[in-house]
Amino acid sequence: TQLLEQSPQFLSIQEGENLTVYCNSSSVFSSLQWYRQEPGEGPVLLVTVVTGGEVKKLKRLTFQFGDARKDSSLHITAAQPGDTGLYLCAGANTDKLIFGTGTRLQVFP
Amino acid sequence: DADVTQTPRNRITKTGKRIMLECSQTKGHDRMYWYRQDPGLGLRLIYYSFDVKDINKGEISDGYSVSRQAQAKFSLSLESAIPNQTALYFCATSDVGHLNYGYTFGSGTRLTVV
Repeated sequence: TQLLEQSPQFLSIQEGENLTVYCNSSSVFSSLQWYRQEPGEGPVLLVTVVTGGEVKKLKRLTFQFGDARKDSSLHITAAQPGDTGLYLCAGANTDKLIFGTGTRLQVFP
Repeated sequence: DADVTQTPRNRITKTGKRIMLECSQTKGHDRMYWYRQDPGLGLRLIYYSFDVKDINKGEISDGYSVSRQAQAKFSLSLESAIPNQTALYFCATSDVGHLNYGYTFGSGTRLTVV
């Protein structure tokens, strides 16, 4: 069974701080996606990274795929209360996604 | 209307009862999925279907069954509900190119088995 472990599980920070969320596996994935989920809603896709070592930026969010395509990180610069939510990574194998355990982020004003 | 609609949004049922969760989509996607979400465990795949005639078990299919009535409809049944099936259930769809375009999720069904 392929597993994706995310760390930290919980993160509570003040507005303006920077943070990094990690997604690690012993398995190689063909691509990796990051989702954000808000209370009462389903996860929404933020980004897909495909190539080992790839870096993508989405405003204040920076996503990186590890060189060996086994791990990924999400860095948020100057976090805002609107960034609050559950962040999920998901690795793609041949026919479906395997989701990580999730990181719950709370950003206080 | 939402691209992926799940009904009901909330449900409380008694142990031993049969319950069906429904999912319909307007995305025109062939692939549909049922996941359950528990705190600290992320999303775990229950069943998935790549077209109307294709049904596959996921990692936690025991105690569940599904029916793909049409391309747009995929329902999940709990034949005899038990308390440890209390969870948030999500339906999702994807195109064949899901590796880049990702999944589209419904808003979820919160199920409580008492």
